[in-house]
Amino acid sequence: EDKVVQSPLSLVVHEGDTVTLNCSYEVTNFRSLLWYKQEKKAPTFLFMLTSSGIEKKSGRLSSILDKKELFSILNITATQTGDSAIYLCAVRRAGANNLFFGTGTRLTVIP
Amino acid sequence: NAGVTQTPKFQVLKTGQSMTLQCAQDMNHEYMSWYRQDPGMGLRLIHYSVGAGITDQGEVPNGYNVSRSTTEDFPLRLLSAAPSQTSVYFCASSYLSTTSGRASSYNEQFFGPGTRLTVL
Repeated sequence: EDKVVQSPLSLVVHEGDTVTLNCSYEVTNFRSLLWYKQEKKAPTFLFMLTSSGIEKKSGRLSSILDKKELFSILNITATQTGDSAIYLCAVRRAGANNLFFGTGTRLTVIP
Repeated sequence: NAGVTQTPKFQVLKTGQSMTLQCAQDMNHEYMSWYRQDPGMGLRLIHYSVGAGITDQGEVPNGYNVSRSTTEDFPLRLLSAAPSQTSVYFCASSYLSTTSGRASSYNEQFFGPGTRLTVL
């Protein structure tokens, strides 16, 4: 059975801190791993990772995948209150588009 | 583009009632799906469709029906609502990249704003 485990479940940091969110997975015929940010409503797409060791970057956010150890990390540097959200990790099998989600990490950034 | 739209935003039903959650996208995406999100459970796939006329079950399909008569629309029907179906429902869509005219890979899924359903 596919499994996605995110840690920590929740995290409270001060503005300016750097955070690392973790996602480990077990999935048959892995194809890609996706990160989403969910504020009050719909999840919004952050990154899609398919290859090991290649960092994806967008502003203060970056992510990398390790297909040998079956995990990914999402880094956020110089956090801002607008980064407060639930961060979701999902995996996708080869030949399919269905996403299997973890339970998410709730990040709270306090001023 | 409006993206992925869902109606209604909120709904309260009594046990045994039926209703349809609407989902539409204007991006000409082949793939559409329905997820439910419950506290502590993450998002779970209910049903999905890879194109008009084609639907299939996800992880938690019981109690729900879908159809895909057009590329744009993918309604989710609750046949006889139960309190266990109280949840937030998200519709999502994505497109299939092609290389030299052949399907190659799916891209990220775009989510609608969600419908919060309460079944009493």
